[in-house]
Amino acid sequence: AQKVTQAQTEISVVEKEDVTLDCVYETRDTTYYLFWYKQPPSGELVFLIRRNSFDEQNEISGRYSWNFQKSTSSFNFTITASQVVDSAVYFCALSGSNAGGTSYGKLTFGQGTILTVHP
Amino acid sequence: DAGVTQSPTHLIKTRGQQVTLRCSPKSGHDTVSWYQQALGQGPQFIFQYYEEEERQRGNFPDRFSGHQFPNYSSELNVNALLLGDSALYLCASSLWYPRQGNEKLFFGSGTQLSVL
Repeated sequence: AQKVTQAQTEISVVEKEDVTLDCVYETRDTTYYLFWYKQPPSGELVFLIRRNSFDEQNEISGRYSWNFQKSTSSFNFTITASQVVDSAVYFCALSGSNAGGTSYGKLTFGQGTILTVHP
Repeated sequence: DAGVTQSPTHLIKTRGQQVTLRCSPKSGHDTVSWYQQALGQGPQFIFQYYEEEERQRGNFPDRFSGHQFPNYSSELNVNALLLGDSALYLCASSLWYPRQGNEKLFFGSGTQLSVL
C-alpha cells in the first residue's frame, strides 16, 4: 500500500521568507511519480510539479524548487521569497507507474500543509 | 481552452437520498477520475473511467458508482447517502496515454455535498 505523510499541519511565514514543505512517502513500486498540488480557497487543485522516481535531479522553476531523495523517501518542496498569494493548502501526492493511464490516475495524497503568508 | 468543469457547485441532500454529480474533462482528455475530500483531509481516490469503463477503484462501497459517456464526460452517483458522505467531490481529467513528461491530472473546483 502507498502512503504519503506531510508532518507539517500548518506553517506561518512572513512575506519574502523562504519556506520548505516536507513530504515523506512509502511505496513498494520500483517506479512511481511524485507530485505537489496547491489548493487555494476556491477548491481547485492546481498542479505545481511532477517527478519520476528514476530522475533524482533536483530543479528550480521560478520561485519553486524541490528536493527528491530516494534514499530517504522524501520529496520536499521549497518556495523562495514567499508571497501572500502563495497562501493555500499544499498537497504532496504519489502514484504508481504501470501501463497506460492507470499509472498516474490514482493518486495517494498526504494530509496537506496549510501555508499562511503574512504581509 | 476550457478546463475541468463540475456541476453543481454546491448540493444539500438528506440521509438516504441519492445524488448525481457531473464532470466535463479538459478539452482533449479522455480519462476521468473522481476523488472525495473530507474537511481538513487530503483527497481520496474513488474511481477512474476510460473508454466508458471503470479502470481502477479505491476503497469505497458499492453505493458509489459512476459512468462515462462517449464524449468523455462523467457522472458520479451516490446512493443511500450517509452523513459521512458530506465532502468536496473533485473530478480530475487526464490522458490515458500522455506524452512522456506530461503525466498529470487536471482538477475541477469540485462539488461541495452536504448531507443533513
